[in-house]
Amino acid sequence: AQSVTQPDIHITVSEGASLELRCNYSYGATPYLFWYVQSPGQGLQLLLKYFSGDTLVQGIKGFEAEFKRSQSSFNLRKPSVHWSDAAEYFCAVAPSRADKLIFGTGTRLQVFP
Amino acid sequence: GAGVSQSPSNKVTEKGKDVELRCDPISGHTALYWYRQSLGQGLEFLIYFQGNSAPDKSGLPSDRFSAERTGGSVSTLTIQRTQQEDSAVYLCASSLAAGGNEQFFGPGTRLTVL
Repeated sequence: AQSVTQPDIHITVSEGASLELRCNYSYGATPYLFWYVQSPGQGLQLLLKYFSGDTLVQGIKGFEAEFKRSQSSFNLRKPSVHWSDAAEYFCAVAPSRADKLIFGTGTRLQVFP
Repeated sequence: GAGVSQSPSNKVTEKGKDVELRCDPISGHTALYWYRQSLGQGLEFLIYFQGNSAPDKSGLPSDRFSAERTGGSVSTLTIQRTQQEDSAVYLCASSLAAGGNEQFFGPGTRLTVL
């Protein structure tokens, strides 16, 4: 069965610092990978997705993620965090392009000024 | 509307009562998903509708949960004989079609079972 692990429950960074949120997946075939963000009181919003091709994908709000098959990872990065990035971030995997999402447990990001 | 809408936004019910949660997907989206978000279980898939195909019900936690989608549009998630462990935020999402399109999520319905 597919699964997603986000090892960091809570991360605190200073505004302007770089950010990396970790995501590891367990899936036999090539997975379809996603990062979603959930701001307080807001719905889930897609940041970026990986289906195939270039393993470094660019998303909205200045985020990027790199697919590393050898490490079964899909880590999310941002070079300089803004206070508005404080939110909960979810990594997800799907067995096919249009299929149910299997979510990780999420990482809550706190940003200090 | 511009996005996925869900109603009600909040629902408080007594243990043992039945509840219905509604989802209006984005117009033209053929795929519709229900998820549940709770403190203990995180974000869990419940059920998935794609066009006229039989729904994928593999995530429904018990036979007290059911869902239907009428006319390929609006969907209703029904929970019978609610239990306290059903308390959660129920999220609906829709996507344009099979083929890798983004799932757009609604704001959710917060269900509290007393």
